[in-house]
Formats: sequence, structure tokens, C-alpha cells
Amino acid sequence: GQQLNQSPQSMFIQEGEDVSMNCTSSSIFNTWLWYKQEPGEGPVLLIALYKAGELTSNGRLTAQFGITRKDSFLNISASIPSDVGIYFCAGLNRAGGTSYGKLTFGQGTILTVHP
Amino acid sequence: EPEVTQTPSHQVTQMGQEVILRCVPISNHLYFYWYRQILGQKVEFLVSFYNNEISEKSEIFDDQFSVERPDGSNFTLKIRSTKLEDSAMYFCASRGTVAKNIQYFGAGTRLSVL
Repeated sequence: GQQLNQSPQSMFIQEGEDVSMNCTSSSIFNTWLWYKQEPGEGPVLLIALYKAGELTSNGRLTAQFGITRKDSFLNISASIPSDVGIYFCAGLNRAGGTSYGKLTFGQGTILTVHP
Repeated sequence: EPEVTQTPSHQVTQMGQEVILRCVPISNHLYFYWYRQILGQKVEFLVSFYNNEISEKSEIFDDQFSVERPDGSNFTLKIRSTKLEDSAMYFCASRGTVAKNIQYFGAGTRLSVL
């Protein structure tokens, strides 16, 4: 099946620093989604990307859909303590119209922000 | 804001027992999903459900698993005879037709098989 490689696995940063994480795939996705998961909670959508090359922001978060459709990155600017959590990329491929929305998730990036 | 609701939040069961995990998707959504996350690992797709039938399932979703939408609001995942390796967080998700490809997740049910 399709695999997503997400890096880095974890990051320990100081409050105020910028953060960057990315996902790469061996195959094409038509949609990239970035989710955040906090302890004991389900994934919460941060940003959705639908077109190759698309760059989308949500507050201090910016994500891009790679032009090859095989990668995506997420940047967080001026991190704050509440940014702590696990960030997951997820890809969706509706090639052939047979997929009803199965998401393939990356392994996650654990973000720790020191005040 | 509408949300996906899952019950119970934590289920403890003995190996070999049947469990039913319950989900109430967002009310006007038509596509429903179950995912699993083993502790410390990534979220994995189990099954998608649309128009009262399974539309796609993964290799994980074997004969021990079944899904049902019994009454038009609940969406359930049944594991007939639980194994130790079924211990995980189980997430329900739902999707409407307006917001493109966006799945909204519940808070999950932690299943502990002893």
C-alpha cells in the first residue's frame, strides 16, 4: 500500500522559534491534509491542500502541496507552548474514483515547545 | 460546532470477548470511517462506509470486524472475539459532501484487551 514518510520524528524547540516538518510519498496523492493530535484526543484538521503547488495558511501555520504531488510541508511560525502535540500528515487519493476517502497517515512529528 | 461523538472513551475487555464501539457522526454527513492507532504508532485506516455498505476496507479489517449503522444516527464497530493485539485507540470519522475530502474525527475509544 501507499506509504508516507514524515520527518522529523520529534522536535524540541524554544518558544518563539519556527518549526518545519514534511512528508514524502512514493506515489501521488490528490489531497494532502495536516492534523494535530493532543493527548487523549482525536486528530483535528489544521490545513487541507487540494492542488499541486498550493500554499495555504491558517494563522501561524503554513502548508504547501508539492508540485510533484508526492510531498507536503507544514511550517509553524513563532511557536507557543500550546503548539505542543503530534502533527500528522495524511494523503488521500481518489484515483479512478473508487476511493471513498481512505486517508493514509504519516508516522507523526512530536512537537515539544519549551517556554 | 458539530462534532463526532464516540462512546465509551475507554473499554476494557477480556481476550475472546466481543466488543462494540459506538460513534455518532456529524448529523448531515454521509461517509463514515473507522481508524485504529496502536500506542505510539500512526493512525491506520480500517474501513469506510457509505450508503449502508462497506465501500473499502484494509487488510486489518478481517472477519472478526464488522460495522453497522443500525438506526440512522449511530455507526458501530464490532470486534467479535478480541485479541491482545486489538488493543489500540479506535477513531471514528465522518465526512460530508460539501467540505471536500475533510474527515472529522471523534476523540476515540481506547480499547484494552487483557
